[in-house]
Amino acid sequence: QVQLQESGPGLVKPSGTLSLTCAVSGGSMSGSNWWSWVRQPPGKGLEWIAEIHQSGSTNYNPSLKSRLTISVDKSKNQFSLKLSSVTAADTAVYYCARLVGGQTYDYWGQGTLVTVTS
Amino acid sequence: EIVMTQSPATLSVSPGERATLSCRASQSVSSNLAWYQQRPGQAPRLLIYGASTRATGIPARFSGSGSGTEFTLTISSLQSEDFAVYYCQQYGNWPPRTFGQGTKVEI
Repeated sequence: QVQLQESGPGLVKPSGTLSLTCAVSGGSMSGSNWWSWVRQPPGKGLEWIAEIHQSGSTNYNPSLKSRLTISVDKSKNQFSLKLSSVTAADTAVYYCARLVGGQTYDYWGQGTLVTVTS
Repeated sequence: EIVMTQSPATLSVSPGERATLSCRASQSVSSNLAWYQQRPGQAPRLLIYGASTRATGIPARFSGSGSGTEFTLTISSLQSEDFAVYYCQQYGNWPPRTFGQGTKVEI
């Protein structure tokens, strides 16, 4: 059973950089799956952020691309997200998830709330 | 960007009743459509992919239909654990991958 666990600071200052890591257990990051970040502002819907393959290939949401960096560390079985120049609009629960077949998310982390506040 | 529009925003039903949720895409996504269930305080859970295929372990009371731009999720007889928010997601034309705004199914 694949498990994902997000970690990172729960508070980030405006104009700062949000940094999160997702640890993958119960399976390897190798293979055809992609590894994704999805966020959900409080009381709102889901927004796709970015995804990465174990080969290092990436896809980014065009609306966030200029502020995003996603990376993978296969030796540690984890992948990471950095979002720069954050504002209050970036306050959300951030989920990591496994994208299977390049289509749907079958395993999700529990989510971590990141609040942008001074 | 493909915009996904779900209706209604909130659906009030009684246990044992049938619930029908709609999802419309701003352009055709063929059958590249998934449905997720999100209970309060939990991560989304994959219910349906390919518009009509149930994911592993999903009860038969959940069914999906549609193609192109119009999709439906039907819950044939609502159980207490089915009261949640449901999201559709398209993967036919991306980036970006897009979700609907959700339908809350409440008692």
